[in-house]
Amino acid sequence: GNSVTQMEGPVTLSEEAFLTINCTYTATGYPSLFWYVQYPGEGLQLLLKATKADDKGSNKGFEATYRKETTSFHLEKGSVQVSDSAVYFCALRNYGQNFVFGPGTRLSVLP
Amino acid sequence: EAGVAQSPRYKIIEKRQSVAFWCNPISGHATLYWYQQILGQGPKLLIQFQNNGVVDDSQLPKDRFSAERLKGVDSTLKIQPAKLEDSAVYLCASSSPMGTAYEQYFGPGTRLTVT
Repeated sequence: GNSVTQMEGPVTLSEEAFLTINCTYTATGYPSLFWYVQYPGEGLQLLLKATKADDKGSNKGFEATYRKETTSFHLEKGSVQVSDSAVYFCALRNYGQNFVFGPGTRLSVLP
Repeated sequence: EAGVAQSPRYKIIEKRQSVAFWCNPISGHATLYWYQQILGQGPKLLIQFQNNGVVDDSQLPKDRFSAERLKGVDSTLKIQPAKLEDSAVYLCASSSPMGTAYEQYFGPGTRLTVT
């Protein structure tokens, strides 16, 4: 079946540090890949997405590239801010099927 | 555009009591989802509606959980009777199929504590 694996958290960084959160997946076919972010006390928000191999999703300084050869969709940001502190979920969805979410990675950014 | 609305935001009940959650999706979104998010885990789909019909309820514990979407808009999720392991955040999401990747829009969730 389909599954998503994420690096375990929590991840603690200083402001302006470089961020990488690893995500790998197992799926049949050609799923679409997503990163969702959940700020404290709020629901999940779509951060970025990629629908086919080699696509790069980007938003708010975050980027992730769909790598089919390594079945990965790692999230990166060049310079994190305190306001980026949240839980980040990697997810996939195959056509006609429902979303499968990873367990989430908590990021804390210290001033 | 108004987002997905949920109520209540917080609920504390004792085990064996019943509880109901309400969701109002984004206007025009035909598909509605209920997820259970246990602390430290990703959301797990409980049930999916397309308009007022059930598309997928394979992971819904039907002996205690029920959900309805009578007019294809608002939805209610009920737990009766609640167990300690039902403590979680219950998220409602809605989507409208566009293109090849369906984006889901999530509400703020209802945090349920069963004591």
